[in-house]
Amino acid sequence: RKEVEQDPGPFNVPEGATVAFNCTYSNSASQSFFWYRQDCRKEPKLLMSVYSSGNEDGRFTAQLNRASQYISLLIRDSKLSDSATYLCVVNGYGGSQGNLIFGKGTKLSVKP
Amino acid sequence: GAGVSQSPRYKVAKRGQDVALRCDPISGHVSLFWYQQALGQGPEFLTYFQNEAQLDKSGLPSDRFFAERPEGSVSTLKIQRTQQEDSAVYLCASSLGGGSGTGELFFGEGSRLTVL
Repeated sequence: RKEVEQDPGPFNVPEGATVAFNCTYSNSASQSFFWYRQDCRKEPKLLMSVYSSGNEDGRFTAQLNRASQYISLLIRDSKLSDSATYLCVVNGYGGSQGNLIFGKGTKLSVKP
Repeated sequence: GAGVSQSPRYKVAKRGQDVALRCDPISGHVSLFWYQQALGQGPEFLTYFQNEAQLDKSGLPSDRFFAERPEGSVSTLKIQRTQQEDSAVYLCASSLGGGSGTGELFFGEGSRLTVL
């Protein structure tokens, strides 16, 4: 089993739609959680951190359920510019002193 | 520039050749990471440095892969006797503090290796 698993995608949605991505992680000791965005043939960039209480950044909402080892990302009012691959990321066994482990990514395509 | 710089951007190697990939992290960043990203996959961790110390190399797939950061800044990832399965984008990332810290790794654009 991979350490971080994500919805396989791709998600094809119209502009204005609400879309949700899910992710599960296997290491119960993980303390830090993130969503990264990767545009086609570009490098990954941090989208947002995920906090236990849930957090929101504009149209983006991230949720964490530690008991279920589950992370989600909700995008409201999708824009064409949201089209990208969304990577679920958790810290590795070194905690904040170690590396980050990336999921395979879920591809989102927002259509006009 | 102010970002992470990698070279070469593209490399085509014949099977069996050795290759060296270079990473210039953001100035002053303590931590440096190498990841391998195959087509359609997420980045897979290879190795991690804090300053010049290689703290974790558990992700290196074989002893053909070697990384160094001798002066705690520029890093080189070397792949000996390349094989077709080594074809991937090799991403370098740096972060200001020790480890992944706040979770913000700054990635370079990657070096795309194709082994024929």
